[in-house]
Amino acid sequence: KNEVEQSPQNLTAQEGEFITINCSYSVGISALHWLQQHPGGGIVSLFMLSSGKKKHGRLIATINIQEKHSSLHITASHPRDSAVYICAVRSGNTGNQFYFGTGTSLTVIP
Amino acid sequence: DAGITQSPRHKVTETGTPVTLRCHQTENHRYMYWYRQDPGHGLRLIHYSYGVKDTDKGEVSDGYSVSRSKTEDFLLTLESATSSQTSVYFCAISDWGKGYGYTFGSGTRLTVV
Repeated sequence: KNEVEQSPQNLTAQEGEFITINCSYSVGISALHWLQQHPGGGIVSLFMLSSGKKKHGRLIATINIQEKHSSLHITASHPRDSAVYICAVRSGNTGNQFYFGTGTSLTVIP
Repeated sequence: DAGITQSPRHKVTETGTPVTLRCHQTENHRYMYWYRQDPGHGLRLIHYSYGVKDTDKGEVSDGYSVSRSKTEDFLLTLESATSSQTSVYFCAISDWGKGYGYTFGSGTRLTVV
């Protein structure tokens, strides 16, 4: 049983397309994180959110606490957005316990 | 990433030998974590620390030990490396109480032959 489920697992898009990656979780949380990992690269934290919506450049993250669901949107996608996007939740029930999704692999074709 | 470094970046070692990976931070963050990343599993927590000399196990702690004798350093030791410990290891820091999220190190690729 996975506490965090992401969809889709793999995604291929044409440059310029609007992209949505979804994350559903089954535990109570104090915060949700979206992480980005480029091939062979390190992991970068994109967003930390516990309610509502955050925007950074072409990236938008939303969370619905009642539905236990978050989405990461990329507007006007670009080949440099090609990476694995990981959803992680910090559980409000067990303090510093974290649960990670297995990631969504995004490829943006020029 | 700025403020957190892992060493070494790559290591090849033989089965049965001890290995220590180092995570060093300059951010004075309270929490430090060791994860391993394997295909099909995503990131899995090995151990974490919530202060100097305060550590706790994660979901895949068997075969690993940690130590944190000062705020800036968190060491991960494989007492007797096995081939199943071949993986990429990431260190991360955070300080939730001050509003800081995750910052990850660049990773250590460990191969046990």
